[in-house]
Amino acid sequence: DGGITQSPKYLFRKEGQNVTLSCEQNLNHDAMYWYRQDPGQGLRLIYYSQIVNDFQKGDIAEGYSVSREKKESFPLTVTSAQKNPTAFYLCASNPGTSGYNEQFFGPGTRLTVL
Amino acid sequence: KQEVTQIPAALSVPEGENLVLNCSFTDSAIYNLQWFRQDPGKGLTSLLLIQSSQREQTSGRLNASLDKSSGRSTLYIAASQPGDSATYLCAVRDTNAGKSTFGDGTTLTVKP
Repeated sequence: DGGITQSPKYLFRKEGQNVTLSCEQNLNHDAMYWYRQDPGQGLRLIYYSQIVNDFQKGDIAEGYSVSREKKESFPLTVTSAQKNPTAFYLCASNPGTSGYNEQFFGPGTRLTVL
Repeated sequence: KQEVTQIPAALSVPEGENLVLNCSFTDSAIYNLQWFRQDPGKGLTSLLLIQSSQREQTSGRLNASLDKSSGRSTLYIAASQPGDSATYLCAVRDTNAGKSTFGDGTTLTVKP
């Protein structure tokens, strides 16, 4: 089945640690996105990539880093510089850079700082 | 900067009722508007996508409309069922920034 997978489903981090969240898609989509969702709120864009080896900052990129070495993979690293990382993280993709395309989402990773 | 507002934040209705969820946005320069459903602790499931040139889209008991000039969209749910209980989010894709802006969602509870 085609879709977006995220792992792990739950992640616990100690203060000062970097952690990496995985996002993989087999939809052959060019564009991929990372969002953060806090309780009772909508989604805020962290980073996005429209093509392999290229990515742009979203609205809340500070304390996060990404890479896009393969079309199907877009991992997100939450660094120790992110002061309040506890949140629900969602990865999304769409077929291309055209603005008319539909976005698809993965199941999410819940990150908790201990 | 695009801002997206969803009213009400929460809604509780008895089973069988028809209902309308609202989404408003401040910048009409959009490619499309997408409605999603989110169950607790889960990702987003796409319900309907309306392109900027379209007025409405329908899927089963769901109907979404778009009035770009007034910056409004509605999601109409007919004959609501307890299984419709979830949070519904709308997202607007801007032509200016090429990114999507999300509302905070409306949490719907349908009581049996």
